[in-house]
Order: sequence, then C-alpha cells, then structure tokens
Amino acid sequence: NAGVTQTPKFRILKIGQSMTLQCTQDMNHNYMYWYRQDPGMGLKLIYYSVGAGITDKGEVPNGYNVSRSTTEDFPLRLELAAPSQTSVYFCASSYSGLRGNGGYTFGSGTRLTVV
Amino acid sequence: AQTVTQSQPEMSVQEAETVTLSCTYDTSESDYYLFWYKQPPSRQMILVIRQEAYKQQNATENRFSVNFQKAAKSFSLKISDSQLGDAAMYFCAFNTGTASKLTFGTGTRLQVTL
Repeated sequence: NAGVTQTPKFRILKIGQSMTLQCTQDMNHNYMYWYRQDPGMGLKLIYYSVGAGITDKGEVPNGYNVSRSTTEDFPLRLELAAPSQTSVYFCASSYSGLRGNGGYTFGSGTRLTVV
Repeated sequence: AQTVTQSQPEMSVQEAETVTLSCTYDTSESDYYLFWYKQPPSRQMILVIRQEAYKQQNATENRFSVNFQKAAKSFSLKISDSQLGDAAMYFCAFNTGTASKLTFGTGTRLQVTL
C-alpha cells in the first residue's frame, strides 16, 4: 500500500500565482484532512472531508479551496498565492474517526514557498 | 475552543536516561483520543503512542509510556532508555467530534546527548 501520497514535495510560487496540491490515498479512508505547519509551530487544520462530495472549513481556510469528487483524492487549491501561505502542507486520512481505531495516516508533506 | 498546550519548547536528555514531555489540553468533549506524534527532520509525522480517553489504563509502547490524568486534562509522554534516534519534534494532539479533527500543540524539540 502506498498510503497517503502528496505531490509535489517542494514548490516555489510567485505572489499571485495559483497551484493545486495533490493528495491521494489508497486505503479507502472516508475522512481526509489538509493541515499546514508554519515554522516552529504545530499543525493547523485548513479543510477536511468526511466523504466524497462533502467538505468543510477548518481553523485556517482563507485563501484555499478543496474538492472531494472521489474517496481517494482530496486536492487543495491555492488561489492568488501570498507570502503568508509559505508553509509545509500535510494531507492526512482516517478510516472513520472516533469510532474507528483513531488512527491517522499522514502524507510526507509539501514544502511551499511564496516569493 | 479546543486547545493543546506544550509548555516545554525544548528538552534535552542524555542517552539511556528518561525524559518526560508535558501536555495539557482543553475540551468539553468526553469521548476522544490523545496522541503523541514524532516528527524527525524528514518531516514525516510518526505516531508514537495513542490513548483512548475512556480507558483509565495508561498506554505503553515499548520504551514510550503516557501518564493520562483525565480530570486534570494532562497527557505526558515518558521516554525511557533514550536513544539518539529519539531526537525529534514531539507533538501532542487530540481528536474529537464526528469528523475526528486533530488539534495539535506547538511541539517540544527533544535533543538526545551522548
């Protein structure tokens, strides 16, 4: 099993550009999440999804959009990139939340720099 | 608001010694899991140990154990027989709610010295 796959691993964007961070999981997990990690900080939730066609905002959603057309994929879209979006982005998935085994699988992260 | 507080930005331990990392949290939920994650320089988030809030028995995983005090909302991690490979950032986290969202602390950087 590949687990959670994130692409790209690194990216440099210019201010005002747009990009999509890809996230794919092959574990048939219902729940998927996007987090960002700023230097020296913990992870903060951007968006999450509890199943295909269902998405909701997390703690820091401004400047981002997501979609969940399939169980496997949960792309994160950055529109009009700003320096404040320089961060490491993690995608994660979980089988069924609290009533599952409480386990999460994380991707390896995408380091994004906006200049 | 649900929060996690890790009051020790950095800790240091000598190889083979024991170290305890502190974590307190705040939630109005009664059903949740608590986690400790390790993040080495590779950035990968590695699950160290997990505790179910409704279980009174403290979780253990080899050299890693927790002291879970539900009433005090405290969840500390003890690392015994520390090894050089334990050096990393350690994050305390918990999840609640139907969407099982994780809330993280700001982390503790652990150094292991010879």
